[in-house]
Amino acid sequence: QKEVEQDPGPLSVPEGAIVSLNCTYSNSAFQYFMWYRQYSRKGPELLMYTYSSGNKEDGRFTAQVDKSSKYISLFIRDSQPSDSATYLCAMTRFNAGKSTFGDGTTLTVKP
Amino acid sequence: EAGVTQFPSHSVIEKGQTVTLRCDPISGHDNLYWYRRVMGKEIKFLLHFVKESKQDESGMPNNRFLAERTGGTYSTLKVQPAELEDSGVYFCASSQVQGSSPLHFGNGTRLTVT
Repeated sequence: QKEVEQDPGPLSVPEGAIVSLNCTYSNSAFQYFMWYRQYSRKGPELLMYTYSSGNKEDGRFTAQVDKSSKYISLFIRDSQPSDSATYLCAMTRFNAGKSTFGDGTTLTVKP
Repeated sequence: EAGVTQFPSHSVIEKGQTVTLRCDPISGHDNLYWYRRVMGKEIKFLLHFVKESKQDESGMPNNRFLAERTGGTYSTLKVQPAELEDSGVYFCASSQVQGSSPLHFGNGTRLTVT
């Protein structure tokens, strides 16, 4: 069983829709939770970074962490065609170097 | 600040040949990581340098892969001899602090072994 499972997608939504992207994990040692966005032929770029359970908001993006359920989500409000990309969740143990990634969810926002 | 840069962006080699990938991290980032994504799979950790020392190389698939970071600046990842299953995208990332700071990725080297 993988340590991190990500909803596979792909997702296709109309412009302006609310998007929900989700990951579950099995290892309670994960303490840091990240969402990366990756455009085609580019490297992942950090979108959101959280440590504790709860919500963190940045513009149209909200990251949600529920450590008791081992579940994280990324919400995108008022989605735009420029949000079309692959979204990756990633997690890191405390004081550890490596991150463990989900498979990624490809999102297409149609104008 | 300049981001993480990787060279080459794309490499096509034949099975049995040698390829060397290079990564220049963000200046001042002591932590440097190599990751790989093969077709249809998730991005997987290969190894982690702190300055010039290998902190964790648990993800290196076998002894055909050799990573170095002389002087604690840029890093190279050599594959020798390359096999078909080595094809994929190799990402380098760097961070300031181990674990508690997120990764800054390069755009990757797309390796195709034929």
